[in-house]
Amino acid sequence: DSGVTQTPKHLITATGQRVTLRCSPRSGDLSVYWYQQSLDQGLQFLIQYYNGEERAKGNILERFSAQQFPDLHSELNLSSLELGDSALYFCASSVWGGAQPQHFGDGTRLSIL
Amino acid sequence: ELKVEQNPLFLSMQEGKNYTIYCNYSTTSDRLYWYRQDPGKSLESLFVLLSNGAVKQEGRLMASLDTKARLSTLHITAAVHDLSATYFCAVDTTGGGADGLTFGKGTHLIIQP
Repeated sequence: DSGVTQTPKHLITATGQRVTLRCSPRSGDLSVYWYQQSLDQGLQFLIQYYNGEERAKGNILERFSAQQFPDLHSELNLSSLELGDSALYFCASSVWGGAQPQHFGDGTRLSIL
Repeated sequence: ELKVEQNPLFLSMQEGKNYTIYCNYSTTSDRLYWYRQDPGKSLESLFVLLSNGAVKQEGRLMASLDTKARLSTLHITAAVHDLSATYFCAVDTTGGGADGLTFGKGTHLIIQP
């Protein structure tokens, strides 16, 4: 158990809809990262937050957004969903500085019908 | 753009044999991470390599880093079935403490009795 909690585990929805994925980081970790894993794109970094502030952006679509709340949990919002958004979305957390590994949650599997 | 290339992408080997997975990356980075993923599961941190010449070992796995060659290796000694998994290397994308990771495509390892 990594200590990173993601909900829900599975999500099935339709094209055009909007969903919110939730992540609670490990106790004491201030950095939260979101990744997307799909068969064709592999594992891609989407966005990072540190202590409530956005720190880095990766290949995140404009239809996607995220935020980190004062209690350090984070949410990833995906809107105007397309079939290609079907993927496994991971949240990871770490201690600031990069010398420690990122610890990954179990992921949310998103299926777009 | 940082690129991370792993080879081989698929490896089938017998128990008791030794083998090496290679990870090349395209730009300067002093931080290299190895993760393991079992089918349908999360990513488990194996090693964090922080400097040129770093070598870390855990059980039958040993990882090394050559920052001048931009190469990391993951060596498997006397493989056992339980090591069957997909192994990813990843490199820090943004540096300076903002640590989005760029992952390789992964090496799918099957160890047969």
